[in-house]
Amino acid sequence: GDSVTQMEGPVTLSEEAFLTINCTYTATGYPSLFWYVQYPGEGLQLLLKATKADDKGSNKGFEATYRKETTSFHLEKGSVQVSDSAVYFCALSEGAGNNRKLIWGLGTSLGVNP
Amino acid sequence: KAGVTQTPRYLIKTRGQQVTLSCSPISGHRSVSWYQQTPGQGLQFLFEYFSETQRNKGNFPGRFSGRQFSNSRSEMNVSTLELGDSALYLCASSLAGGTGGYGYTFGSGTRLTVV
Repeated sequence: GDSVTQMEGPVTLSEEAFLTINCTYTATGYPSLFWYVQYPGEGLQLLLKATKADDKGSNKGFEATYRKETTSFHLEKGSVQVSDSAVYFCALSEGAGNNRKLIWGLGTSLGVNP
Repeated sequence: KAGVTQTPRYLIKTRGQQVTLSCSPISGHRSVSWYQQTPGQGLQFLFEYFSETQRNKGNFPGRFSGRQFSNSRSEMNVSTLELGDSALYLCASSLAGGTGGYGYTFGSGTRLTVV
């Protein structure tokens, strides 16, 4: 079946450092890809998405590009802030029509020090 | 507008008991999906309800069940609780289904501890 693999954490960076969180996927079709973020004590929030190859999703300074040739959707940010400390989840949509559901990576914890 | 509301936030139950969790979606959203989140397994899909009908189901035993009411509020029930059911249970609402590019809006979850 379809699957998502994320780099293991935790990742610890200093403020203003460059961030990359790797995400690769296995899928038989053409899934949509998502990054969600979970701040401490809160539910998950959609950070960005891409629905087809070469699409770039972006939000709050974060970017990810849907790379079909490498089956990847790596999350990047040029300059992280302390407020970006959270757990980041990569996910893909599987199935079609009413049978669609999200397949999740295990999450990558990010800590940013001032 | 109000977000997705899950109640209760925390729950402690004993093995063998049953539990009911509640989720109120965003007004106008007709799809409610449930996920179990654990450190070892990550997020795993339980089921999705749309207009009071279960539309999709994950690979969980029959002890896990759910329903959706006419106002789109949803409940999930776990019977004969086991220690391994300890997890954060997340509910997500969407207009017509969480994938296909629209994504979900998640609640803050119910933390269930089975002792």
